[in-house]
Amino acid sequence: GAGVSQTPSNKVTEKGKYVELRCDPISGHTALYWYRQSLGQGPEFLIYFQGTGAADDSGLPNDRFFAVRPEGSVSTLKIQRTERGDSAVYLCASSPTPRPPYNEQFFGPGTRLTVL
Amino acid sequence: AQSVTQLDSHVSVSEGTPVLLRCNYSSSYSPSLFWYVQHPNKGLQLLLKYTSAATLVKGINGFEAEFKKSETSFHLTKPSAHMSDAAEYFCVVSDLGDTGFQKLVFGTGTRLLVSP
Repeated sequence: GAGVSQTPSNKVTEKGKYVELRCDPISGHTALYWYRQSLGQGPEFLIYFQGTGAADDSGLPNDRFFAVRPEGSVSTLKIQRTERGDSAVYLCASSPTPRPPYNEQFFGPGTRLTVL
Repeated sequence: AQSVTQLDSHVSVSEGTPVLLRCNYSSSYSPSLFWYVQHPNKGLQLLLKYTSAATLVKGINGFEAEFKKSETSFHLTKPSAHMSDAAEYFCVVSDLGDTGFQKLVFGTGTRLLVSP
């Protein structure tokens, strides 16, 4: 079956611009996660959705970052007034449930964001 | 908060020799631990997971890891390296957080290099 997909695969933007990154989770997965991976680092948690609601957004770095999942499937990560420090690979993951034992997270290939 | 430390940023082995990637964890409760692999331009893939059952966990592609509570370690091993094993490996601990839902905390990664 289809895995997690993310679009675009690459995004280059200028400082100060607004960007949207899209994630299509595996069909039927209720839990959806966003992570950010900076160069040479492991992924860092940003936000977690259970269904349509953001159950945990403690990893969002500041109020320029926002994410939605209006119908409980596709999610969009939105970044306002981008800064060069936002450059990273943004990863999306989904799982059938957030709770063990069926909580393996399946990751998409990521969107590489470059802010010039 | 839960955390993991990967003790080596790079590990180089020859094809056919054993692989050892080291990881120590810090957790205030009995943790769930994972190893993920990331091949270039591909999504993160789960190799194996420990969730308080058997301490020796077998994963895909011949990898295994042993949970040692006394040493707070979860090292990844493979008896014989293959060229296709060259990738970035992440040790990961599950953090339930204040919401009680799982989010993953990644180490900084170990790059495995395999020479012919």
